[in-house]
Amino acid sequence: DARVTQTPRDKVTEMGQEVTMRCQPILGHNTVFWYRQTMMQGLELLAYFRNRAPLDDSGMPKDRFSAEMPDATLATLKIQPSEPRDSAVYFCASGPGGSGANVLTFGAGSRLTVL
Amino acid sequence: AQKVTQAQTEISVVEKEDVTLDCVYETRDTTYYLFWYKQPPSGELVFLIRRNSFDEQNEISGRYSWNFQKSTSSFNFTITASQVVDSAVYFCALSEINNGQNFVFGPGTRLSVLP
Repeated sequence: DARVTQTPRDKVTEMGQEVTMRCQPILGHNTVFWYRQTMMQGLELLAYFRNRAPLDDSGMPKDRFSAEMPDATLATLKIQPSEPRDSAVYFCASGPGGSGANVLTFGAGSRLTVL
Repeated sequence: AQKVTQAQTEISVVEKEDVTLDCVYETRDTTYYLFWYKQPPSGELVFLIRRNSFDEQNEISGRYSWNFQKSTSSFNFTITASQVVDSAVYFCALSEINNGQNFVFGPGTRLSVLP
Protein backbone atom coordinates (compact mmCIF):
# COMPACT_ATOMS: atom_id res chain seq x y z
CA ASP A 1 0.00 0.00 0.00
CA ALA A 2 1.25 3.49 -0.82
CA ARG A 3 1.71 5.54 2.32
CA VAL A 4 2.35 9.08 3.41
CA THR A 5 5.37 9.04 5.69
CA GLN A 6 5.79 11.56 8.48
CA THR A 7 8.75 12.12 10.77
CA PRO A 8 9.21 12.40 13.66
CA ARG A 9 6.32 10.41 15.12
CA ASP A 10 6.83 12.01 18.51
CA LYS A 11 8.73 15.10 19.49
CA VAL A 12 9.15 16.67 22.90
CA THR A 13 10.90 19.99 22.97
CA GLU A 14 11.26 23.07 25.10
CA MET A 15 9.66 26.38 24.44
CA GLY A 16 11.70 28.51 22.10
CA GLN A 17 13.28 25.63 20.22
CA GLU A 18 12.93 25.14 16.49
CA VAL A 19 10.87 22.18 15.35
CA THR A 20 10.85 20.72 11.85
CA MET A 21 8.35 18.11 10.76
CA ARG A 22 8.78 16.25 7.50
CA CYS A 23 6.41 14.54 5.15
CA GLN A 24 6.97 12.28 2.19
CA PRO A 25 3.81 12.30 0.06
CA ILE A 26 2.73 9.36 -2.03
CA LEU A 27 4.72 9.18 -5.25
CA GLY A 28 2.76 10.84 -8.03
CA HIS A 29 0.50 12.84 -5.75
CA ASN A 30 0.68 16.53 -6.51
CA THR A 31 -1.32 17.99 -3.64
CA VAL A 32 -0.11 18.15 -0.06
CA PHE A 33 -2.00 19.37 2.98
CA TRP A 34 -0.82 20.09 6.53
CA TYR A 35 -3.38 19.82 9.34
CA ARG A 36 -3.10 20.34 13.07
CA GLN A 37 -5.31 18.39 15.45
CA THR A 38 -6.06 19.45 19.01
CA MET A 39 -8.84 18.54 21.38
CA MET A 40 -10.13 22.09 21.42
CA GLN A 41 -9.93 22.99 17.73
CA GLY A 42 -10.24 19.62 16.01
CA LEU A 43 -8.61 19.35 12.58
CA GLU A 44 -7.38 22.71 11.35
CA LEU A 45 -5.97 23.24 7.87
CA LEU A 46 -2.61 24.95 8.11
CA ALA A 47 -1.33 24.90 4.52
CA TYR A 48 -2.03 23.43 1.12
CA PHE A 49 0.33 22.86 -1.81
CA ARG A 50 -0.32 21.90 -5.38
CA ASN A 51 2.58 20.99 -7.65
CA ARG A 52 4.89 22.19 -4.86
CA ALA A 53 3.43 25.70 -4.92
CA PRO A 54 1.76 26.98 -1.75
CA LEU A 55 -1.86 27.81 -2.57
CA ASP A 56 -3.30 28.46 0.84
CA ASP A 57 -1.51 28.97 4.13
CA SER A 58 -4.05 31.26 5.69
CA GLY A 59 -4.56 28.89 8.59
CA MET A 60 -0.95 29.10 9.66
CA PRO A 61 0.46 31.59 12.21
CA LYS A 62 2.87 33.37 9.88
CA ASP A 63 5.14 34.77 12.51
CA ARG A 64 6.41 31.40 13.66
CA PHE A 65 5.26 28.75 11.18
CA SER A 66 6.56 28.10 7.70
CA ALA A 67 5.75 25.36 5.20
CA GLU A 68 7.76 24.42 2.13
CA MET A 69 8.14 21.75 -0.51
CA PRO A 70 11.82 21.67 -1.48
CA ASP A 71 11.00 18.93 -3.97
CA ALA A 72 8.11 16.68 -4.96
CA THR A 73 9.08 14.03 -2.42
CA LEU A 74 9.39 16.24 0.64
CA ALA A 75 7.17 18.70 2.47
CA THR A 76 8.32 20.43 5.64
CA LEU A 77 6.55 22.31 8.39
CA LYS A 78 8.76 24.40 10.63
CA ILE A 79 7.95 26.16 13.88
CA GLN A 80 10.41 28.72 15.17
CA PRO A 81 10.25 29.51 18.02
CA SER A 82 7.92 26.86 19.38
CA GLU A 83 5.44 27.62 22.16
CA PRO A 84 3.43 25.35 24.48
CA ARG A 85 0.23 26.19 22.58
CA ASP A 86 1.76 24.53 19.51
CA SER A 87 1.44 21.16 21.23
CA ALA A 88 -0.75 19.07 18.93
CA VAL A 89 -0.69 16.26 16.42
CA TYR A 90 0.36 17.48 12.99
CA PHE A 91 -0.90 15.51 10.00
CA CYS A 92 0.32 15.59 6.47
CA ALA A 93 -1.95 14.33 3.69
CA SER A 94 -1.44 13.97 -0.03
CA GLY A 95 -3.83 13.60 -2.93
CA PRO A 96 -3.62 12.78 -6.63
CA GLY A 97 -4.91 16.17 -7.71
CA GLY A 98 -6.45 16.60 -11.11
CA SER A 99 -10.06 17.54 -11.66
CA GLY A 100 -12.41 16.76 -8.87
CA ALA A 101 -11.63 16.80 -5.21
CA ASN A 102 -8.80 14.80 -3.82
CA VAL A 103 -9.21 11.69 -1.80
CA LEU A 104 -6.60 12.54 0.76
CA THR A 105 -4.32 9.90 2.19
CA PHE A 106 -3.08 10.86 5.63
CA GLY A 107 0.18 10.11 7.34
CA ALA A 108 0.31 8.74 10.86
CA GLY A 109 0.92 12.18 12.29
CA SER A 110 3.67 13.86 14.30
CA ARG A 111 2.81 14.37 17.95
CA LEU A 112 4.48 17.54 19.20
CA THR A 113 4.78 18.44 22.86
CA VAL A 114 6.27 21.81 23.72
CA LEU A 115 7.17 22.18 27.40
CA ALA B 1 -17.88 29.85 3.79
CA GLN B 2 -17.89 26.11 4.05
CA LYS B 3 -18.77 24.47 7.33
CA VAL B 4 -19.37 20.95 8.57
CA THR B 5 -21.32 20.23 11.75
CA GLN B 6 -21.34 16.95 13.60
CA ALA B 7 -23.67 17.58 16.49
CA GLN B 8 -22.95 14.31 18.27
CA THR B 9 -19.73 14.69 20.21
CA GLU B 10 -19.75 11.18 21.65
CA ILE B 11 -21.91 8.13 21.18
CA SER B 12 -21.81 4.85 23.10
CA VAL B 13 -23.56 1.74 21.89
CA VAL B 14 -23.46 -1.91 22.79
CA GLU B 15 -22.05 -4.32 20.27
CA LYS B 16 -24.50 -5.37 17.52
CA GLU B 17 -26.56 -2.24 17.84
CA ASP B 18 -27.03 -0.03 14.79
CA VAL B 19 -25.74 3.53 15.08
CA THR B 20 -26.10 6.60 12.87
CA LEU B 21 -23.61 9.45 12.86
CA ASP B 22 -25.01 12.75 11.70
CA CYS B 23 -23.33 15.25 9.42
CA VAL B 24 -24.76 18.57 8.26
CA TYR B 25 -22.84 20.85 5.94
CA GLU B 26 -22.99 24.37 4.61
CA THR B 27 -21.59 25.56 1.32
CA ARG B 28 -22.35 28.17 -1.31
CA ASP B 29 -20.88 25.94 -3.99
CA THR B 30 -23.33 24.08 -6.16
CA THR B 31 -20.81 21.33 -6.78
CA TYR B 32 -18.78 19.74 -4.04
CA TYR B 33 -17.59 16.49 -2.52
CA LEU B 34 -18.44 15.00 0.85
CA PHE B 35 -16.27 12.54 2.71
CA TRP B 36 -16.17 10.37 5.79
CA TYR B 37 -12.91 9.49 7.50
CA LYS B 38 -12.30 7.19 10.45
CA GLN B 39 -9.65 7.81 13.09
CA PRO B 40 -9.09 4.68 15.18
CA PRO B 41 -7.15 4.79 18.47
CA SER B 42 -3.92 4.35 16.51
CA GLY B 43 -4.44 7.93 15.30
CA GLU B 44 -4.21 7.60 11.54
CA LEU B 45 -7.09 8.99 9.47
CA VAL B 46 -8.59 6.41 7.17
CA PHE B 47 -10.68 7.29 4.14
CA LEU B 48 -14.12 5.64 4.08
CA ILE B 49 -16.16 7.24 1.32
CA ARG B 50 -16.38 10.13 -1.12
CA ARG B 51 -19.66 11.33 -2.59
CA ASN B 52 -20.11 14.14 -5.12
CA SER B 53 -22.98 16.56 -4.96
CA PHE B 54 -24.50 15.27 -8.20
CA ASP B 55 -25.00 11.79 -6.85
CA GLU B 56 -27.65 11.46 -4.20
CA GLN B 57 -27.85 7.70 -4.34
CA ASN B 58 -27.34 6.08 -1.02
CA GLU B 59 -24.39 3.76 -0.76
CA ILE B 60 -23.86 0.56 1.15
CA SER B 61 -20.56 -1.12 1.81
CA GLY B 62 -20.83 -4.14 4.05
CA ARG B 63 -22.07 -2.92 7.43
CA TYR B 64 -21.61 0.71 6.45
CA SER B 65 -24.19 2.82 4.66
CA TRP B 66 -24.43 6.49 3.80
CA ASN B 67 -27.52 8.63 3.31
CA PHE B 68 -26.94 11.82 1.31
CA GLN B 69 -29.82 14.29 1.25
CA LYS B 70 -29.07 17.49 -0.58
CA SER B 71 -32.40 19.02 0.43
CA THR B 72 -31.37 18.97 4.07
CA SER B 73 -27.61 19.32 3.48
CA SER B 74 -26.97 16.11 5.34
CA PHE B 75 -24.66 13.18 4.77
CA ASN B 76 -25.32 10.68 7.54
CA PHE B 77 -23.38 7.50 8.17
CA THR B 78 -24.91 4.32 9.60
CA ILE B 79 -23.06 1.33 10.98
CA THR B 80 -25.21 -1.77 11.17
CA ALA B 81 -24.51 -4.42 13.79
CA SER B 82 -21.68 -2.43 15.31
CA GLN B 83 -18.51 -4.13 16.49
CA VAL B 84 -15.90 -3.18 19.05
CA VAL B 85 -13.44 -2.53 16.20
CA ASP B 86 -15.72 0.26 15.00
CA SER B 87 -14.74 2.30 18.05
CA ALA B 88 -13.08 5.41 16.65
CA VAL B 89 -13.57 9.07 15.94
CA TYR B 90 -15.44 9.64 12.68
CA PHE B 91 -15.02 12.82 10.68
CA CYS B 92 -17.25 14.19 7.99
CA ALA B 93 -15.58 16.55 5.50
CA LEU B 94 -16.49 18.83 2.62
CA SER B 95 -14.40 19.93 -0.34
CA GLU B 96 -14.75 22.10 -3.42
CA ILE B 97 -15.14 20.03 -6.54
CA ASN B 98 -12.80 21.89 -8.83
CA ASN B 99 -9.45 21.71 -7.17
CA GLY B 100 -9.81 20.17 -3.78
CA GLN B 101 -8.96 23.32 -1.91
CA ASN B 102 -10.51 24.24 1.35
CA PHE B 103 -10.95 20.69 2.53
CA VAL B 104 -12.99 21.30 5.69
CA PHE B 105 -13.51 18.75 8.43
CA GLY B 106 -16.26 18.57 11.02
CA PRO B 107 -15.37 18.31 14.70
CA GLY B 108 -15.77 14.54 14.71
CA THR B 109 -17.96 12.09 16.60
CA ARG B 110 -16.32 9.69 19.02
CA LEU B 111 -18.01 6.30 18.80
CA SER B 112 -17.50 3.76 21.56
CA VAL B 113 -18.81 0.28 20.94
CA LEU B 114 -18.98 -1.68 24.16
CA PRO B 115 -18.75 -5.46 24.25
